[in-house]
Amino acid sequence: AQKVTQAQTEISVVEKEDVTLDCVYETRDTTYYLFWYKQPPSGELVFLIRRNSFDEQNEISGRYSWNFQKSTSSFNFTITASQVVDSAVYFCALSDLDNYGQNFVFGPGTRLSVLP
Amino acid sequence: DTGVSQNPRHKITKRGQNVTFRCDPISEHNRLYWYRQTLGQGPEFLTYFQNEAQLEKSRLLSDRFSAERPKGSFSTLEIQRTEQGDSAMYLCASSLESSGGRSYNEQFFGPGTRLTVL
Repeated sequence: AQKVTQAQTEISVVEKEDVTLDCVYETRDTTYYLFWYKQPPSGELVFLIRRNSFDEQNEISGRYSWNFQKSTSSFNFTITASQVVDSAVYFCALSDLDNYGQNFVFGPGTRLSVLP
Repeated sequence: DTGVSQNPRHKITKRGQNVTFRCDPISEHNRLYWYRQTLGQGPEFLTYFQNEAQLEKSRLLSDRFSAERPKGSFSTLEIQRTEQGDSAMYLCASSLESSGGRSYNEQFFGPGTRLTVL
């Protein structure tokens, strides 16, 4: 069965600090997708990234970067120079290649508070 | 705005009543998903549609829940004889299936309907 663990329930940082959100997953599939979503106070989930399991290159997008390590089943998310607008709940998710249904599993989320 | 919309945004009902929620996906999207999210948890899959066909339903979903997508466009989720445990945010998402049968495209989520059962 698919499982996603986000051990950090809540994190608080001061603006401009870097912060890393951890994600550890379990799956029996050899190929799969990993995702990060942001849920701001408005409630609407916003897609941030999708990563194929066979592509272990790290990715950077502006202040966001992702570190995928298949050997440790982790897909961590780093925000550099955090801003107040980054305050939200962040979800890591895992799916098989069909990307839908019962095999699309979200973690419990990490609530990030960025203080001015 | 051509995003996913959901109505109502909030619903308060008494235990035992029936409720119905509506989701309007992005117009060209052929897949539609329903999720439930309780406080402090990530979204939990309920069911999904490919056009008008309901292809999968969560094993955890009670028979009191039913969903339809009659014309392959908007969808409704009905909960009969609501219970206090049904209180949650109900999220709808849509995506466009790519050619070849694999959905490589992201799911776009609506703002959700928050249900409170008294």
